[in-house]
Amino acid sequence: ELKVEQNPLFLSMQEGKNYTIYCNYSTTSDRLYWYRQDPGKSLESLFVLLSNGAVKQEGRLMASLDTKARLSTLHITAAVHDLSATYFCAVDMRGNTGTASKLTFGTGTRLQVTL
Amino acid sequence: GAGVSQSPSNKVTEKGKDVELRCDPISGHTALYWYRQSLGQGLEFLIYFQGNSAPDKSGLPSDRFSAERTGGSVSTLTIQRTQQEDSAVYLCASSFGGNIYEQYFGPGTRLTVT
Repeated sequence: ELKVEQNPLFLSMQEGKNYTIYCNYSTTSDRLYWYRQDPGKSLESLFVLLSNGAVKQEGRLMASLDTKARLSTLHITAAVHDLSATYFCAVDMRGNTGTASKLTFGTGTRLQVTL
Repeated sequence: GAGVSQSPSNKVTEKGKDVELRCDPISGHTALYWYRQSLGQGLEFLIYFQGNSAPDKSGLPSDRFSAERTGGSVSTLTIQRTQQEDSAVYLCASSFGGNIYEQYFGPGTRLTVT
């Protein structure tokens, strides 16, 4: 059974600081997704990582994937209050078989950026 | 363009009643997924459709839960004889297919069983 673990579960950081959220998963996969969820809202897609070594950046967020280590990171640079939300990683076990499949989500990391 | 829509946005029902939740995927998306999100269990997969077929129903928690999809579009998730532990936010997602299976989520239906 695929297990996806995120840490930390909760992160309080000051504006302007840097930090990294980690996502470990237990079974080989080369498809990993990061989502953001604001309170009371649905999931917003942030990044799709499709191969070993993939790195994607959008604004102050950068995500990377190491399939050999079964690890993805979401790095936050110079945090701002607007980044406060819960961040989920999700793994697609299907790999490259060419069909759709379910996502297994991590526990989520609640990020609070304080002034 | 229009995203995934779900209805109702909120549903309060009495224990033992049946409920139907509806999902309208993004036009042209062939795959449709149901998940639920609850405080105790996090985000859990329920079922996924490819077209009108459901190749993976492994996440449905009991035989009180069923889902169907018609015309390769709208899907309904039915919960019979609701229990308090069914209270959660039910999220629907759809994806286009091809080589990238990014799933786009709807706003969810918050179900409260009293």
